[in-house]
Amino acid sequence: EAGVVQSPRYKIIEKKQPVAFWCNPISGHNTLYWYLQNLGQGPELLIRYENEEAVDDSQLPKDRFSAERLKGVDSTLKIQPAELGDSAVYLCASSLGQGSLYEQYFGPGTRLTVT
Amino acid sequence: GNSVTQMEGPVTLSEEAFLTINCTYTATGYPSLFWYVQYPGEGLQLLLKATKADDKGSNKGFEATYRKETTSFHLEKGSVQVSDSAVYFCALRRQGAQKLVFGQGTRLTINP
Repeated sequence: EAGVVQSPRYKIIEKKQPVAFWCNPISGHNTLYWYLQNLGQGPELLIRYENEEAVDDSQLPKDRFSAERLKGVDSTLKIQPAELGDSAVYLCASSLGQGSLYEQYFGPGTRLTVT
Repeated sequence: GNSVTQMEGPVTLSEEAFLTINCTYTATGYPSLFWYVQYPGEGLQLLLKATKADDKGSNKGFEATYRKETTSFHLEKGSVQVSDSAVYFCALRRQGAQKLVFGQGTRLTINP
């Protein structure tokens, strides 16, 4: 079974440019998460989707960040415009459903460098 | 609020040494507790978990016991291998919530 796929794996952009990350969750997983992992820190949740609905986006900086999950499968996370402080690893995870019974499976992440 | 504190790294040990990585948490109620491992170039993988007080999670020779009285979930392994070199994250999930709250991670290096 394929795991969570993310692309690109690495991205270098100049500040003020837009950038987008793509995530393909494990087949059949209804719940999808985007996490931000700053250097030397643990991941922090940005947004959670149940199917195509964003059910927890309280930590998403909505002035520059946006996300979508069309058809409840793949998801994209966008930053526009990027700032130097956005340099981090962006992780996508998915789970079969809600609740403590369901393990979250993580992708390898996209490492963003803003220069 | 909910938070997780891990011992600071990096931790460097010789092969076959005993490992302890400390983790303490702050949370209301009875959260579930987790250890995740991140090998170089890979995503986080669930290593073990415990969902109630005094539960012991175990996997691949690693163990951690949910201690409510000390709000701790320390990770231990009796004899580490070079292949255990990775970053280890302690995390909690509050009852009824979906969000994982992670510690800052501890980088472990095992030398042959």
